[in-house]
Amino acid sequence: GQNIDQPTEMTATEGAIVQINCTYQTSGFNGLFWYQQHAGEAPTFLSYNVLDGLEEKGRFSSFLSRSKGYSYLLLKELQMKDSASYLCAVRDSNYQLIWGAGTKLIIKP
Amino acid sequence: ETGVTQTPRHLVMGMTNKKSLKCEQHLGHNAMYWYKQSAKKPLELMFVYNFKEQTENNSVPSRFSPECPNSSHLFLHLHTLQPEDSALYLCASSQTLADYNEQFFGPGTRLTVL
Repeated sequence: GQNIDQPTEMTATEGAIVQINCTYQTSGFNGLFWYQQHAGEAPTFLSYNVLDGLEEKGRFSSFLSRSKGYSYLLLKELQMKDSASYLCAVRDSNYQLIWGAGTKLIIKP
Repeated sequence: ETGVTQTPRHLVMGMTNKKSLKCEQHLGHNAMYWYKQSAKKPLELMFVYNFKEQTENNSVPSRFSPECPNSSHLFLHLHTLQPEDSALYLCASSQTLADYNEQFFGPGTRLTVL
């Protein structure tokens, strides 16, 4: 079967750095996405990785290792507004998006 | 209006009711999707439309019936639902079905089935 694993919940302090991990087992791989979803709102796109390595976009970075079936989202200089759920999704060989259950990130002052 | 809009935002219905969810995208995209989001569960893809043609139906019960009259509009017709169908129903669109295309989501319809 296909599976995406992420921690259910994480807590971090304002101004700090947090790393949210995602491991996947899918039938084929055609890219990995990270989305942010604030409570009661739509998911919004954060990043896309298809090749190994680190993609940096401001305070957010996303890393991919295809051989290990592993990705992480790194958030720096955390702000209170970063409190949200972070969803990892992998596009499989049929080009379907397989979603993780999301990681709820709680930022404390 | 910009982006992806969904109506209604909230819906409460009985098991014998018939209702419809509406989605509209103003992005000029060609692919549209229906997802079900239940608490603490992964997003479940229900239906995919590409250029108005249905390309995916992920074993969704027949009490959910999609309709895509054109590339900008998507409907989900509901009838004789069960309480376990209570969830957030999200509509999304993307430029094409290509692997690199991100999906843009609407705010969702929070459905409660009594």
